Amino acid sequence: GAVVSQHPSRVICKSGTSVKIECRSLDFQATTMFWYRQFPKKSLMLMATSNEGSKATYEQGVEKDKFLINHASLTLSTLTVTSAHPEDSSFYICSASLRTGNEKLFFGSGTQLSVL
Amino acid sequence: LAKTTQPISMDSYEGQEVNITCSHNNIATNDYITWYQQFPSQGPRFIIQGYKTKVTNEVASLFIPADRKSSTLSLPRVSLSDTAVYYCLVGTYGQNFVFGPGTRLSVLP
Repeated sequence: GAVVSQHPSRVICKSGTSVKIECRSLDFQATTMFWYRQFPKKSLMLMATSNEGSKATYEQGVEKDKFLINHASLTLSTLTVTSAHPEDSSFYICSASLRTGNEKLFFGSGTQLSVL
Repeated sequence: LAKTTQPISMDSYEGQEVNITCSHNNIATNDYITWYQQFPSQGPRFIIQGYKTKVTNEVASLFIPADRKSSTLSLPRVSLSDTAVYYCLVGTYGQNFVFGPGTRLSVLP
């Protein structure tokens, strides 16, 4: 099946610093990528949708200046958490859309962000 | 977007067949039904997808009645490693896929 690579898997940073998370589709081109956030024992919350070469579309309540998304190529999307604070600590997951007649989402392994 | 409803949790024993039903009463004509599995601290994993009737792969079966207002994921002979959260998603290309709370399956020895 299609593989989505997400790095890093875990990051610990100090409050006020910025953290970049990469999401790559390894064996297919993904026109659309999605970023989710997940709290312990909760479901995934969609943060934003990114399309290659255009600005990301953010869900209501998600600060676009705090969560910068760049989708520079058909295989790479990045999420940068700027000026991170402890409340940004969470599990972040990316997914890439593969359309083969119908659409499937393939997910990265997730990034656990801990802000001290 | 079609809203989905699933049981919050289910318990089963090893070797049993598990059926998880998802309700999606306002499913649209172009929508597909997709099920994902998620283990703690991992991204969801695609299990199976269907549009109507029955779909089977090496992992599971998906049953969809003619009115498509619900679907049932069937896991044959579950093992302890099938303990996970299972999500049912309904949508089509170009939509933003929103996850419901999912079903937390616990397989007991």
